[in-house]
Amino acid sequence: GAGVSQTPSNKVTEKGKYVELRCDPISGHTALYWYRQSLGQGPEFLIYFQGTGAADDSGLPNDRFFAVRPEGSVSTLKIQRTERGDSAVYLCASSSGPNGHNSPLHFGNGTRLTVT
Amino acid sequence: AQSVTQLGSHVSVSEGALVLLRCNYSSSVPPYLFWYVQYPNQGLQLLLKYTTGATLVKGINGFEAEFKKSETSFHLTKPSAHMSDAAEYFCAVSGSTYNNNDMRFGAGTRLTVKP
Repeated sequence: GAGVSQTPSNKVTEKGKYVELRCDPISGHTALYWYRQSLGQGPEFLIYFQGTGAADDSGLPNDRFFAVRPEGSVSTLKIQRTERGDSAVYLCASSSGPNGHNSPLHFGNGTRLTVT
Repeated sequence: AQSVTQLGSHVSVSEGALVLLRCNYSSSVPPYLFWYVQYPNQGLQLLLKYTTGATLVKGINGFEAEFKKSETSFHLTKPSAHMSDAAEYFCAVSGSTYNNNDMRFGAGTRLTVKP
C-alpha cells in the first residue's frame, strides 16, 4: 500500500520567506511525527501529533516553527522568516499507535529545504 | 532523557566480511532500542528493535543486534556483508512504553561495501 508521502521533495527559498512542508501519512495512522535531519546528523525530533492535537512540541526550535494537523490526517509544517540555518531534510513519520513499541515508525522520503 | 552515541561515522568493509556497527546508549529508564537503515534516496526503515525479552534480536536482511545492559550497548552485526547493504544506519533509543515521541537517534554510520 501507499507509504508516507512528503511534498515537495525539494524546496529552495530565500532567507526571510515563509514555507510550508506537507506530510500525508499512511491511511489510518493516528500518530504523526516531524523530524529534522541536518547534514551528518541523525533525525532530530520536532513535534508529535496524536490525532489532531500536538501531544508534544518540545522539539520545535523556536516560535518560527509551527505544525498543524486539522483533520487528523495530513500535516503541514510551517516555517516563518526562514534562516539559512533552517536548511535541512525534514522527515515525517507515522505509526498506528499509541500502543507502545508495537507500532513502528514509517518514514517518508523527506523534504530537502535549502534557504539561500 | 535518552541519548545515543554511534562510534564511527563511516565504516568500510569488503563484500563477505563481518559488519559491526557500534551503538552505545544512555537512558534513565529501561530502554527500548532500534536500528533503522536509510538507503540512498529512500526513507528510514526499521531493521530491528529490542523491547523486552531475548537480548539477541534478529532483523531483516540477516542483521542482528545484542542488548548488553552492563555495557549500555546495542551493536549491529551481520556475518557476511553484501553490496546491497551499503546505506546509512541509525541507532535509536526510547524510554516510553506508550508512544515514540521521546525516541532519539544517533548521528548515523555510513556503511560502504567494497567488491
